Amino acid sequence: DSGVTQTPKHLITATGQRVTLRCSPRSGDLSVYWYQQSLDQGLQFLIQYYNGEERAKGNILERFSAQQFPDLHSELNLSSLELGDSALYFCASSASGENNNEQFFGPGTRLTVL
Amino acid sequence: AQSVAQPEDQVNVAEGNPLTVKCTYSVSGNPYLFWYVQYPNRGLQFLLKYITGDNLVKGSYGFEAEFNKSQTSFHLKKPSALVSDSALYFCAVGPSNDYKLSFGAGTTVTVRA
Repeated sequence: DSGVTQTPKHLITATGQRVTLRCSPRSGDLSVYWYQQSLDQGLQFLIQYYNGEERAKGNILERFSAQQFPDLHSELNLSSLELGDSALYFCASSASGENNNEQFFGPGTRLTVL
Repeated sequence: AQSVAQPEDQVNVAEGNPLTVKCTYSVSGNPYLFWYVQYPNRGLQFLLKYITGDNLVKGSYGFEAEFNKSQTSFHLKKPSALVSDSALYFCAVGPSNDYKLSFGAGTTVTVRA
């Protein structure tokens, strides 16, 4: 158990809908990362937050947004969902958010868009 | 831009034999390098990292990796593989002056009894 929690574990929804994925980092970790894992794209970095502020952005679509709250939990919002958004979404956390810190991954949320 | 290549989609070895998973990278400046392992239906788990210092890095579960700057490689090794090492392995790289990590496509390791 990494100490990172993600809810829900599974999510099934329809095209055009909007969903919110939630992540709680390990106790004491200030940085949260979001990743998308799919068979065709592999593991893609989406976005990183550090202590409530956006720190780095990866291949995140404009239909996706995220935020980190004062209690350090984070939410990833996915809107106008398309079939291609079906994937496993991981949250990870690290102590300082610097690139030399290892990241601790949650169990993931499996999103299925029908 | 930074990138990671894991040239082998799959590696198959017999239990007790040495295991090597290859990784090469491209990054501006000094690299931070990581290996993670993913078991079915689980998140990634950290195995080891190279930040600076000794080129041979030892990590969890008997794994080690060697940083080779001239060949821009960071191969993962285990002297004697176990069936329980069967999993998906990811190499990742990030520059020392930025925050983003790039992950390779992953290598599926199968260790047969």
